[in-house]
Amino acid sequence: GQNIDQPTEMTATEGAIVQINCTYQTSGFNGLFWYQQHAGEAPTFLSYNVLDGLEEKGRFSSFLSRSKGYSYLLLKELQMKDSASYLCAVTGGFKTIFGAGTRLFVKA
Amino acid sequence: DTGVSQDPRHKITKRGQNVTFRCDPISEHNRLYWYRQTLGQGPEFLTYFQNEAQLEKSRLLSDRFSAERPKGSFSTLEIQRTEQGDSAMYLCASSLSITSGRYTGELFFGEGSRLTVL
Repeated sequence: GQNIDQPTEMTATEGAIVQINCTYQTSGFNGLFWYQQHAGEAPTFLSYNVLDGLEEKGRFSSFLSRSKGYSYLLLKELQMKDSASYLCAVTGGFKTIFGAGTRLFVKA
Repeated sequence: DTGVSQDPRHKITKRGQNVTFRCDPISEHNRLYWYRQTLGQGPEFLTYFQNEAQLEKSRLLSDRFSAERPKGSFSTLEIQRTEQGDSAMYLCASSLSITSGRYTGELFFGEGSRLTVL
């Protein structure tokens, strides 16, 4: 079967660092993605990991451990505009499967 | 090309009616996907096209759902005899194929078509 788990909600303070975890069990694996989705909008691409390790892109970093079926998204220097849902997604074969998303609330 | 476009953005219909959504992908993308998303959930895979060929269809998709991509460009998703449980956001996404040389697997989403079935 295919399963992607991530926390439902998280709250963090402006300027802080937050880590959103994702575990997955899928029948195929070509890569792991993180997408950001603001309420009422389409998902937008944040990061892509295909090999183990850390990928850094500005305030966002994503880590992957394929042997553990585990990834995390790290957001630094949180801003109010980072309040959104963060979707962990795994691509296997032709299709991309999404987790339910983690709603992040950034408070002042 | 400004991105993936979907039409209509909103559709309200009565139970039992048929509805059709259209998606125009980014022109150089030969992969096209349809997803369905309900409140508080991630996008749920419905079907996938490589050019005009429909290569995979979710087992969750009933026979009331059909999708086409007749010339490998735009796609339509039709829902027949709509039910209240069909109320959702229908998202279209496109991407490059793995043979393009610029493949990253990134999906480019349209703004979605929100369906409300009364």
